[in-house]
Amino acid sequence: DAGVTQSPTHLIKTRGQQVTLRCSPKSGHDTVSWYQQALGQGPQFIFQYYEEEERQRGNFPDRFSGHQFPNYSSELNVNALLLGDSALYLCASSLVEGVGGYTFGSGTRLTVV
Amino acid sequence: GESVGLHLPTLSVQEGDNSIINCAYSNSASDYFIWYKQESGKGPQFIIDIRSNMDKRQGQRVTVLLNKTVKHLSLQIAATQPGDSAVYFCAENFTGNQFYFGTGTSLTVIP
Repeated sequence: DAGVTQSPTHLIKTRGQQVTLRCSPKSGHDTVSWYQQALGQGPQFIFQYYEEEERQRGNFPDRFSGHQFPNYSSELNVNALLLGDSALYLCASSLVEGVGGYTFGSGTRLTVV
Repeated sequence: GESVGLHLPTLSVQEGDNSIINCAYSNSASDYFIWYKQESGKGPQFIIDIRSNMDKRQGQRVTVLLNKTVKHLSLQIAATQPGDSAVYFCAENFTGNQFYFGTGTSLTVIP
């Protein structure tokens, strides 16, 4: 049974560009959350999607947007990239009730130059 | 939002010893806590969870203790092994399905 898969694994973008990261949740999970993890820090909550809608949002600007598809997969989009957006972006899937917590993917390492 | 903090950023233990990793949380409304382990190059991995109506929960070689009076959480790892070397995070939940993570504690097991 595949866990959470994310693509790509690594990405280099130029400041000002736009990026799209993709996530396929664990089989049976219906909720996808996105986290940003800066080097040496804990993951910071970006937002969460359930039933193709954004349920909750953390303290991130509107440059960060997302989408969830009918098959529960999700995308994270970041516009007008800044150097400070360089981080590991983690996708986590779960059941909407949250029991058992998240199953995390291995993340996408984004470097903005 | 509320933050979760860890008392020690690094911890080194001898192989075979027990490890204790501590975590302080600040939101008294938090009702669900999870410990995660993150190895280099990987996403966080679920270790054990505990709800606020419990004060102790045991898993395989791991025990989580919750002290709601002082808002403290700890993870105990018995007979620590080299494979336990990683960064450990506690995460708290008090709103919806959103978890707040602390900075993490780096555990190094010395063979």
